[in-house]
Amino acid sequence: DVKVTQSSRYLVKRTGEKVFLECVQDMDHENMFWYRQDPGLGLRLIYFSYDVKMKEKGDIPEGYSVSREKKERFSLILESASTNQTSMYLCASTTGGTGSYEQYFGPGTRLTVT
Amino acid sequence: AQSVSQHNHHVILSEAASLELGCNYSYGGTVNLFWYVQYPGQHLQLLLKYFSGDPLVKGIKGFEAEFIKSKFSFNLRKPSVQWSDTAEYFCAVTTYSFNKFYFGSGTKLNVKP
Repeated sequence: DVKVTQSSRYLVKRTGEKVFLECVQDMDHENMFWYRQDPGLGLRLIYFSYDVKMKEKGDIPEGYSVSREKKERFSLILESASTNQTSMYLCASTTGGTGSYEQYFGPGTRLTVT
Repeated sequence: AQSVSQHNHHVILSEAASLELGCNYSYGGTVNLFWYVQYPGQHLQLLLKYFSGDPLVKGIKGFEAEFIKSKFSFNLRKPSVQWSDTAEYFCAVTTYSFNKFYFGSGTKLNVKP
């Protein structure tokens, strides 16, 4: 079974702090994704990566950056956390190819910025 | 940008009622379609998927979905829901052009025992 793990289930940070969210997958997947999930808005793509050191912006990249130094690990960075970044953050991974594979999700990190 | 619409935001049913959740997408080319489910307190998991072939696909727990290309739709159905189906359901679309997935806003299903 594919396993996608996220470093924290719950996180509370202060406004202006730099926040790191980490995601690790154990199935040698090429593609990894970061989403935020908000009530009534569904999942919105922040960034995705299709290879080590490669990244592409999703629909809402502002205020976020990512890092992928190793194939199995994809980090989401909030450079200066703000209250409007309070949300559930979901990591996902898929095998490579041109969009024909299902995504496997981690359990999510519920981030609260105060 | 592509979009996915789920018109039912909140559905309340009694046990044994039939379920149909709507999903429409905007992309005109070849698509792959998914339904994901998120049970309370759990992570998103795949319910079913359509890549090609028979447009009627069956998934886990008695769910099925029908791809109607002419209507750009991929509606989810279940003949008789159970209390344990209470969850949030997300439709998702991805294309062969790129690796991005597009999710609908979700439908919360509440099944009354």
